[in-house]
Amino acid sequence: ILNVEQSPQSLHVQEGDSTNFTCSFPSSNFYALHWYRWETAKSPEALFVMTLNGDEKKKGRISATLNTKEGYSYLYIKGSQPEDSATYLCAFYGGSQGNLIFGKGTKLSVKP
Amino acid sequence: KAGVTQTPRYLIKTRGQQVTLSCSPISGHRSVSWYQQTPGQGLQFLFEYFSETQRNKGNFPGRFSGRQFSNSRSEMNVSTLELGDSALYLCASSLAPTQATVTEAFFGQGTRLTVV
Repeated sequence: ILNVEQSPQSLHVQEGDSTNFTCSFPSSNFYALHWYRWETAKSPEALFVMTLNGDEKKKGRISATLNTKEGYSYLYIKGSQPEDSATYLCAFYGGSQGNLIFGKGTKLSVKP
Repeated sequence: KAGVTQTPRYLIKTRGQQVTLSCSPISGHRSVSWYQQTPGQGLQFLFEYFSETQRNKGNFPGRFSGRQFSNSRSEMNVSTLELGDSALYLCASSLAPTQATVTEAFFGQGTRLTVV
C-alpha cells in the first residue's frame, strides 16, 4: 500500500513568521507531486504540480522543492499572513496506481 | 469560467437508505474523480471516470458506485447507507485522465453527507 506522510499535522505561527512543512512519498515509479491549499468552507486549490527531481516552484510567498530520489517535498511560506491559514495537502501520483494519493495534510494557523 | 459544482451541498439520510450525489465539471474537462474525507483521514480515492468509462477504482465496497454522462457530469451513488459513510465527498475534474497527465485537479466544494 502506497503511503504519503505529511508533517507536522498542525502548526501555529505568528504573523510574519516563516514556516515549512514536509511531504514524504514513495521514491519509485514517480510521476508527479501535487500541493493543494484547502481553506475552511472552500474547495482545495492547486498550488503546484511538480514533476522533476530538483524542481523548485514559487507563487508569491509560497515555494516548494522536490526530491524524487529520496521521496520528499518541502513547502515553504515566507512571512506568514493570517490569510495563509489553511490545510496544505500534498498528493503523490505514481505510474502504478493511476490516481492521486493524498496525505492527511498540515493544518496551518497564523495568528495576527 | 464556472468552477466544479457539486449538489447538494448538505444531505442528511437514514441508515439503509441510498443517496445520489452530483458533480458538474469545468467546461471542457472530461475526467472526474471522487474522494471521501472522514475526520482524521486524508482524501480517500473512490473512482475516476473519463468519457463515460470508469478508469480506476479505489478500495471501497460495491455499495459505492458512480457513472458519467456524455456531457461529463458525474453522479455517485451509495446504497444501503451506514453510519460510517458520513463524510465529505469531493469531486475533482481535470482535462484528461490522471494516468496520462500531470496537470492539476480542480475541486468542487463537496457534499457533506450525514447518516443518522
